[in-house]
Amino acid sequence: DIVMTQSPDSLAVSLGERATINCKSSQSLLYSFNNKDHLAWYQQKPGQPPKLLIYWASTRESGVPDRFSGSGSGTDFSLTISSLQAEDVAVYYCHQYYGPPFTFGPGTKVDI
Amino acid sequence: QVQLQQSGPGLVKPSQTLSLTCAISGDSVSSNSASWSWVRQSPSRGLEWLGRTYFRSNWFYDYAESVKNRITISPDTSKNQFSLQLNSVTPEDTAVYYCVTGTPGMRDWGRGTLVTVSS
Repeated sequence: DIVMTQSPDSLAVSLGERATINCKSSQSLLYSFNNKDHLAWYQQKPGQPPKLLIYWASTRESGVPDRFSGSGSGTDFSLTISSLQAEDVAVYYCHQYYGPPFTFGPGTKVDI
Repeated sequence: QVQLQQSGPGLVKPSQTLSLTCAISGDSVSSNSASWSWVRQSPSRGLEWLGRTYFRSNWFYDYAESVKNRITISPDTSKNQFSLQLNSVTPEDTAVYYCVTGTPGMRDWGRGTLVTVSS
């Protein structure tokens, strides 16, 4: 199975400041047949299911604010919130959909 | 946008079978481009993908090794839904269970069902 790790476990950021979350996979998520990284990012707030923010490592889902951006390739990825807003307080997960079994990172809690 | 409506009991006794159903609107369980998964979440195990079914001229199934001997995911084309059965449950199967679809990634999630395994 592909193991996903995230760092840090949690971080506190001032309103308007940048937050960066890192994700590492135990093997490359770059699929040769489409030259895309099979990596997604989710935001989860208490009592809600995860919400898809980013797929293909850097493509923003429709309706997601442009302060959220994804980067990286291969085995190392990042999610950046360029200017943290109060509504961004949540847990963020990375997820590989390279192939079954699909796996998730342990999550990073973002607070103010 | 696909909507997923989950149903099923929130309490299951140890050694019994956990059964959940996910009704689909906005897509077809027989779609040649969709897949239909179950994911669970617990404090001890985090987010855990359990398995999926999808139709590509035939029905296909993938299951996580951790539950492979106990799980069945079944499509029901007459009701446009899919179901999860997990046999021989223990308290470690206590979790919020989600049905999920959408590609790439997992775009559409059910609201989640808290299933507690307890006598």
